[in-house]
Amino acid sequence: GEDVEQSLFLSVREGDSSVINCTYTDSSSTYLYWYKQEPGAGLQLLTYIFSNMDMKQDQRLTVLLNKKDKHLSLRIADTQTGDSAIYFCADRHPSGGSQGNLIFGKGTKLSVKP
Amino acid sequence: NAGVTQTPKFQVLKTGQSMTLQCAQDMNHEYMSWYRQDPGMGLRLIHYSVGAGITDQGEVPNGYNVSRSTTEDFPLRLLSAAPSQTSVYFCASSYSLGDYGYTFGSGTRLTVV
Repeated sequence: GEDVEQSLFLSVREGDSSVINCTYTDSSSTYLYWYKQEPGAGLQLLTYIFSNMDMKQDQRLTVLLNKKDKHLSLRIADTQTGDSAIYFCADRHPSGGSQGNLIFGKGTKLSVKP
Repeated sequence: NAGVTQTPKFQVLKTGQSMTLQCAQDMNHEYMSWYRQDPGMGLRLIHYSVGAGITDQGEVPNGYNVSRSTTEDFPLRLLSAAPSQTSVYFCASSYSLGDYGYTFGSGTRLTVV
């Protein structure tokens, strides 16, 4: 079946850039998403990218999409302690009974050290 | 504030008990879904609905029932709780099938003993 993979942990120092990587298997993906989950909270949509785009920038966030390699990344510039959270990559389910639903990676826990 | 409201926030059940997790949204979203989150597993889809009166199964539907009598509400029923259903449950909604992302509730942390 379709799958989304992420590394589980990332540790950076405050002020550095963070890069969280994600790979997916569905070549027909139309939208890919990044969600943020703070401790004890629900998921907050950070950004999304449409499959015909290579890059999307939104303030400190930059999303890069390499469709050939099925690789998605989220770069956070000038990482702050408030960015410490779990970041989920998600892909739209391509087909079948759950068409349109999201498939989530297991999440990358970002720790920002002062 | 507009959004997705889940109740209760915490619940402890004994094995074999039944309960209903409530989910309501006030954004007139057609699409609603339930996910469970387990450590190291990410989020897995339980059930979803594309509109009032229409529901379907997701990846892990066993042991759960849903109904959608109104656009606003999408309750999740645990028929006979088992320890394997200990998890954090999230309800999500979207205007359509997730084109522009989903809005998530804050979750219900369920423990089955």
